Amino acid sequence: TQLLEQSPQFLSIQEGENLTVYCNSSSVFSSLQWYRQEPGEGPVLLVTVVTGGEVKKLKRLTFQFGDARKDSSLHITAAQPGDTGLYLCAGEEGGKLIFGQGTELSVKP
Amino acid sequence: DAGVIQSPRHEVTEMGQEVTLRCKPISGHNSLFWYRQTMMRGLELLIYFNNNVPIDDSGMPEDRFSAKMPNASFSTLKIQPSEPRDSAVYFCASSDWGADTQYFGPGTRLTVL
Repeated sequence: TQLLEQSPQFLSIQEGENLTVYCNSSSVFSSLQWYRQEPGEGPVLLVTVVTGGEVKKLKRLTFQFGDARKDSSLHITAAQPGDTGLYLCAGEEGGKLIFGQGTELSVKP
Repeated sequence: DAGVIQSPRHEVTEMGQEVTLRCKPISGHNSLFWYRQTMMRGLELLIYFNNNVPIDDSGMPEDRFSAKMPNASFSTLKIQPSEPRDSAVYFCASSDWGADTQYFGPGTRLTVL
């Protein structure tokens, strides 16, 4: 089973700051998904990236898939308290998803 | 659409008791997944089904855990006997097929005393 490592594990920032979350693996994934999870709820899909080098934007969130399809990053511009939550990356392997440990983001007003 | 439905939302039981968690996937979805989430180990896949057939149960911790999917609209995860280390949030998710977008239920928070 391939492993996905996310960094940082915890991030506490002030409203308006920018941040980047990283998701790395030594193996290649055919696709990679990013989910966001709020307390007491299940994860919700934000985006799927498929092509090496692909960049996708979702309002203030920018997702990038590495050229070699082994890593990905999530960049948030001008973070808001509503961005607070657990961010999970997940790679596809054999019809199932392998999840990273997650990055717990706290944005203080 | 009601989304993925899980019951109960919370379960508190004593060590040695049998626990049954239930899941109703989104209608029309062909794949169903059971996950366990803890602070220490994150979100782990326990087992998944395609068209009601178990495909990969390599994540099931041990023989105390079993899962069934008797039809396309219902699945159960059973722990017998339960142990304190089984305490976690258990999620059910469904998708059109395989690793397509997965839709998660709200989870069942299990506490084994």
